Amino acid sequence: DAMVIQNPRYQVTQFGKPVTLSCSQTLNHNVMYWYQQKSSQAPKLLFHYYDKDFNNEADTPDNFQSRRPNTSFCFLDIRSPGLGDAAMYLCATSRGMGSRDYEQYFGPGTRLTVT
Amino acid sequence: QKEVEQNSGPLSVPEGAIASLNCTYSDRGSQSFFWYRQYSGKSPELIMFIYSNGDKEDGRFTAQLNKASQYVSLLIRDSQPSDSATYLCAVWPGGGYQKVTFGTGTKLQVIP
Repeated sequence: DAMVIQNPRYQVTQFGKPVTLSCSQTLNHNVMYWYQQKSSQAPKLLFHYYDKDFNNEADTPDNFQSRRPNTSFCFLDIRSPGLGDAAMYLCATSRGMGSRDYEQYFGPGTRLTVT
Repeated sequence: QKEVEQNSGPLSVPEGAIASLNCTYSDRGSQSFFWYRQYSGKSPELIMFIYSNGDKEDGRFTAQLNKASQYVSLLIRDSQPSDSATYLCAVWPGGGYQKVTFGTGTKLQVIP
């Protein structure tokens, strides 16, 4: 089955220790997104890639970076995690960003704990 | 600031009843509307999307869109305990590269 895969599912890191979360997709979708979701809050878009075109949200901290080496994979790097970065990180994909192809499909998420 | 608003709930309905979830949005020009189901500790799952005014049915789910009044609803018929989850409404405003805005979700509890 076509799907969005995230690894690891759970990540514990120390304050200030860099961490990388990964996402892969077999849907062959053009767009990949990273969201941060905290308890009882809406998913917050951090950035997205449309093919190789990177788009950063204005309020995404510089501490967060992303890489998309090919169509299938996308990585989220947190350079110096703080306690406030503890959250569920969601990867999503969509065919495009137009009216009829914006359905987003989410991976299972990575739960990040910062100690 | 484009806004999507949902009552946080919890909305409690007895098993077998119709659950009605509502979402209002601020951008009158919005074009696409999505409903996601999110179980506690899990990721959102797309269950319905609607683009045109009126109703769209898929199994026990019906999405209703009223662009003039700027709301979109999700009806769940014959509610089951397995429907207990948070339902997120998401709205795409239209235009190239515009992002989808999510509401904070309505928690639904189906009581056996």
